[in-house]
Amino acid sequence: EAQVTQNPRYLITVTGKKLTVTCSQNMNHEYMSWYRQDPGLGLRQIYYSMNVEVTDKGDVPEGYKVSRKEKRNFPLILESPSPNQTSLYFCASSTDRVNSGANVLTFGAGSRLTVL
Amino acid sequence: AQSVTQLDSQVPVFEEAPVELRCNYSSSVSVYLFWYVQYPNQGLQLLLKYLSGSTLVKGINGFEAEFNKSQTSFHLRKPSVHISDTAEYFCAVKRITGNQFYFGTGTSLTVIP
Repeated sequence: EAQVTQNPRYLITVTGKKLTVTCSQNMNHEYMSWYRQDPGLGLRQIYYSMNVEVTDKGDVPEGYKVSRKEKRNFPLILESPSPNQTSLYFCASSTDRVNSGANVLTFGAGSRLTVL
Repeated sequence: AQSVTQLDSQVPVFEEAPVELRCNYSSSVSVYLFWYVQYPNQGLQLLLKYLSGSTLVKGINGFEAEFNKSQTSFHLRKPSVHISDTAEYFCAVKRITGNQFYFGTGTSLTVIP
C-alpha cells in the first residue's frame, strides 16, 4: 500500500530534550515536506526537500532541522524543543512523474507533540 | 509568491442542506488547485484537484469545485451534506513548475442533524 509513515504518533517530552520524528514514504517520491498544524493557523510549512541532499526552509523553520540522506526518509529533528513547538505535525510527499499520480500530496497520519 | 485565503473559518450547516466553502488565491504564475479534507483525528486526504481542462471538477463524496480564473477563486460545493461530512477542509495551490504547496487556514464544516 502506498503510504507515508510517521513515528511516533504521540509524544510528550520536556523542554530541551532532543527528539526526532521520523517520516518514510514507499512511493519513490522526490518531494517531501513537513508541516505543523495549529488552531486558527492552518498548515504551515517547516522544511521541504526536492530530492536527496536537497532541503530548504519553509515558512516556520526556526527550532527545527531536517536531513534527506535517502529518498524515502525525511526526519524532523527538534534539537532543543520548547513549549511553543507543541503542535500536530504532518509529513507529506509528492512527485512530478505523471504515471505516479503527479501533483498530489500524500500525507502521513500526523504526530502530536507536546513539550512541557 | 502564492497565497490562499479561505474566507470562512467555521461553517455550520444542517444535514441535507447545500454548502459552499470559499477559497481565493493570489499568484503571479499559473497554478494547480486542490481541496483536501481532514476528518477528526486523521491526516489530510485529497478531495479533488484542478490541473487543466474543464473548470468544474468533481471529487469524492459528492463534492465539486469550480475554478474561476478571473476571480481567482476555487470554491467547494456540495448540494446535500451528510453528518459524515463534518471535517476540516483545506484549499491549496501549487505552482505548475515546482513542488511547493501553499495551504489556506482551513474551514471547519459542522453538519447539524
